[in-house]
Amino acid sequence: TQLLEQSPQFLSIQEGENLTVYCNSSSVFSSLQWYRQEPGEGPVLLVTVVTGGEVKKLKRLTFQFGDARKDSSLHITAAQPGDTGLYLCAGARSGGGADGLTFGKGTHLIIQP
Amino acid sequence: DTAVSQTPKYLVTQMGNDKSIKCEQNLGHDTMYWYKQDSKKFLKIMFSYNNKELIINETVPNRFSPKSPDKAHLNLHINSLELGDSAVYFCASSSRGIRGYTFGSGTRLTVV
Repeated sequence: TQLLEQSPQFLSIQEGENLTVYCNSSSVFSSLQWYRQEPGEGPVLLVTVVTGGEVKKLKRLTFQFGDARKDSSLHITAAQPGDTGLYLCAGARSGGGADGLTFGKGTHLIIQP
Repeated sequence: DTAVSQTPKYLVTQMGNDKSIKCEQNLGHDTMYWYKQDSKKFLKIMFSYNNKELIINETVPNRFSPKSPDKAHLNLHINSLELGDSAVYFCASSSRGIRGYTFGSGTRLTVV
């Protein structure tokens, strides 16, 4: 069974601070995806990383895929209250998508104004 | 709007009943999935369908049966509902996993 360890599970910081969320596994994934989920809604895709060492930026969010494709991180710069939510990392075992995603347990992020 | 839509949004039912959750996607994706999210927000895959063929079936009770009448629909039928089935169920779709998955807004199932 491939597991994704996501940390921290809970994080509450002040507006303007920086933060990093980590997603680690002992297994290799063909791709790593990050989602954000709001209460009462389904997860919404933020980014997909597929190449070892890949870095993608989405405004104040920076996503990194480890060289060995076993880990990933999400870094938020100058966090804002609108960043509050549940962040989920998810790994795909096969490139074809047939196996679905293995999810981490999520990071509940609260940005206080 | 292009999306994954599932109905109903909320479902409250008694133990022992049989219920279905419907899912439709108009994104032209070739694979559809059902996920279960527990009270701690942990998401776990239950089924996936690709071209009407069941690809994976995780260790879920056989009371759960996915049914796909066509490429755009994947319904979830649950027999003899139990208290432990209470959770939020999400339908999702993807195009061979490329560019990520699109999730529906979920069905909160409560078994009383």
